[in-house]
Parts: sequence; C-alpha cells; structure tokens
Amino acid sequence: GENVEQHPSTLSVQEGDSAVIKCTYSDSASNYFPWYKQELGKRPQLIIDIRSNVGEKKDQRIAVTLNKTAKHFSLHITETQPEDSAVYFCAAPRRSRPDSSYKLIFGSGTRLLVRP
Amino acid sequence: EAGVAQSPRYKIIEKRQSVAFWCNPISGHATLYWYQQILGQGPKLLIQFQNNGVVDDSQLPKDRFSAERLKGVDSTLKIQPAKLEDSAVYLCASSLVGDLLRDVNTEAFFGQGTRLTVV
Repeated sequence: GENVEQHPSTLSVQEGDSAVIKCTYSDSASNYFPWYKQELGKRPQLIIDIRSNVGEKKDQRIAVTLNKTAKHFSLHITETQPEDSAVYFCAAPRRSRPDSSYKLIFGSGTRLLVRP
Repeated sequence: EAGVAQSPRYKIIEKRQSVAFWCNPISGHATLYWYQQILGQGPKLLIQFQNNGVVDDSQLPKDRFSAERLKGVDSTLKIQPAKLEDSAVYLCASSLVGDLLRDVNTEAFFGQGTRLTVV
C-alpha cells in the first residue's frame, strides 16, 4: 500500500492460539485505523476500528492496539477458530497533498490460516 | 439495510475493448469510492466522490479510466481501452460521511465487486 505497511503477509496458527498482525503508517495526523476481513471471493468487511483518542479497543476475541508515537497499530485475535481464516487488511487515512482530502489507504493484506 | 450493489459480477473482455461497471451505494451515503484490487494485493483507491463531486482521483489512470456520479447516487466506472494489467476486482464502497479525521460515521461498506478479466 501507499505508506501503509502491513506484516506478515501470511500467518499460520493452530486453532486456539493467538494471531497478531501489525501495520505502520506515515501521516502523523492520521487518527482513524480500521481493520477489514475479506473471506475468499467475498467483499471486505469492517471488523474493528480505533481512533487515536484511545490506545486499545476490544470486541470479544478481537482487539486493536495503537501506538501513535511509533505510528503503528496491531490486530490481535485470541482463541483463533478455523472461521477466522481469511485475508485481513489494515487501513489508515492519508492525503496526496496538504490541501487535499484524506483518503483511506489499505495495507497489502495478511493471509491468516487457522489450522484445526 | 440494503448493501452496496454492483454489476456485473464478472466480465471478460479482450484487450483494447471497453467496459463499464455500475454501483448503487447504500441509501443516504454521501461518499462513494471505487477501488481496484489486484489478486493478492490490498484495495487501491481509484476515485472518491462526495455527493456528485470528485474528492480525490489522483490514482485514476485518466488516459483510460473515467468515472461519474451525476446525480450524487449511482456511479459508473469505465475503462477504454482496457489493458491486460487492468485485470482485477473493482470494488465500490460507500460511507455516510467522508471526513476521515473529523467524522465518526466513516465506515466504508463494500459491494461484492466486479471481477474483470482482460485477455
């Protein structure tokens, strides 16, 4: 992606283990960080997002952490299940020029495989 | 709530031919996006509309791609002429509002996409 770096590109975990995906961004003014899940052949769907007024947000087995100083944010999935297998994308706002609007730039994706 | 509708779902054309994609966003959503997703990559923004005005088209290859949203609702994306490297899934998304930094309701809802194959 355009200055949104995501890693790893692939991640294989055993069912029940945790999975962590990390993203870094470049624009220090960015304050909105969504994570999307895309199952094979389907549309990307928002699973969780965080704004920079908080450092962590949890929703059942999913959590996102944000470090604004280091400009990185991470997705954490605990107690992984086979249905968590999908491609996960992070995103962050970025603008082309100082006078342009912010647009949502996506990372290159992480293919998560949860082995039964 | 009805989702973002796109058509067609699949399209196969020969290089140098033309193709058009259609998108109907969620009712009331002012912001509409067209993304290109090449296999194995993340979605890349091509153009962003706010109502019927273009907010950002810096990544749109304007020599061959065009898009419009004349009445601020439906949108069409056209490629003329197509190249082999245009093979991708073209995703349309919409959101209630468009200021990512200031607004709360910025979640982008995606359509199923149109899978384009250029041969």
